[in-house]
Formats: sequence, C-alpha cells, structure tokens
Amino acid sequence: GQNIDQPTEMTATEGAIVQINCTYQTSGFNGLFWYQQHAGEAPTFLSYNVLDGLEEKGRFSSFLSRSKGYSYLLLKELQMKDSASYLCAVHQAGTALIFGKGTTLSVSS
Amino acid sequence: AAGVIQSPRHLIKEKRETATLKCYPIPRHDTVYWYQQGPGQDPQFLISFYEKMQSDKGSIPDRFSAQQFSDYHSELNMSSLELGDSALYFCASSSRAGQERATNEKLFFGSGTQLSVL
Repeated sequence: GQNIDQPTEMTATEGAIVQINCTYQTSGFNGLFWYQQHAGEAPTFLSYNVLDGLEEKGRFSSFLSRSKGYSYLLLKELQMKDSASYLCAVHQAGTALIFGKGTTLSVSS
Repeated sequence: AAGVIQSPRHLIKEKRETATLKCYPIPRHDTVYWYQQGPGQDPQFLISFYEKMQSDKGSIPDRFSAQQFSDYHSELNMSSLELGDSALYFCASSSRAGQERATNEKLFFGSGTQLSVL
C-alpha cells in the first residue's frame, strides 16, 4: 500500500511564499503529482515529478527526492485565488493515482 | 478544448434506491477513473478502465459496478444506496496510448456528480 502525508492546513498572506510538503511511502514509484482543488470543484493538474529535482512552472514549483520519499510544492507571490486544497498524489506502478488527504491553504490580505 | 463531461451534475436519491452516473472522457482518451470524495475528504479511488476493460480496482463497494462502453464513455451503477454514499463522484480520463509510461496517470477531471442520499 501507500502512505501519503501532508499538513492538513496552512495559512499565508498575499505576496508571500509558501511550501507545502508531502512525504510518501510506496513501492514501484512511478511519479508524483500535485493537484489544486477549490471547494466543490474538480481537482486540476499543477505539476508532475518523476525524477529528482525541481520543476518550475510560473509561480508554482515542485520538488522531488525519491530517496527520501519527499516532495514539496512551492507557491510564490501568493494571491487570494490560491486559497484552495492542494493534493499530493502518487502513482505506484500497476495502480491508479492515489491521493493524499490534501492541504487546505488559506491566503489572507 | 473538450473536457471530461459528467452527468448528472446533481442527484438526489433515497436509501435503497439505485443511481447511475455517466462520464464522457476527453476525445481520444482511452482510460477512465472513478473517484469518490466525501465532505472534507481526499478523493478515494474506486475503479478504472483501459480500452473498455477493467484496469484497476480500489475501494469500490460490492453494491457498485461500472463499465466502459465502445465509445469509451463509462457508467457507475450504484445500488442499495446508503446515507454514507453521499459524496462528490469524480470521473477522470487520461491517455495511455503513445505516452511515456511515467506520464500515464496525468488525470483530467470532470466537474463531478454530487450525490445526496436522503
């Protein structure tokens, strides 16, 4: 099976930088995804890492260390609209994508 | 661009009734996934289909069944509904054909069906 851990809640202010961590335990690792989900809406794809290192995409970056079973999502220049749940999801070979419980980020002015 | 389409958007049923949820994947996507998300919970994987065959099975109750049809749309059939089945049901699709193996699971989600069991 898989264990995916991420903080339940985080708060930050507009313009700030926030890092959301995710640790996982799995076998046959085949990639790690980050999704954003606003309340009542579908998750939307943010980033994908399969090799160690940092993937940058605009204000969002994601980092992966396979040896440590660790990833983080970095959000820069926070905006109010970034208030959402951020889901870490792991793809284990031979199975469907498994989601963590999500981190609810609240951005205040 | 076309997205994943789910119907109905909202559904209200009573206990012990049946419900059928439909999902139309993005054109040329060959894989469909069903997820159940309770209030304040993370999406729980139920079942997936690849090329009309069941691909993987998660925490889908025996009261539920699903299939993928020749046009790649999928239906989730739910019987003997219970109060605990009230949740948001998401369908997602992806394309495995022609993709690097490691990127197979980039999912595109539909807007979901909100099921309320009274």
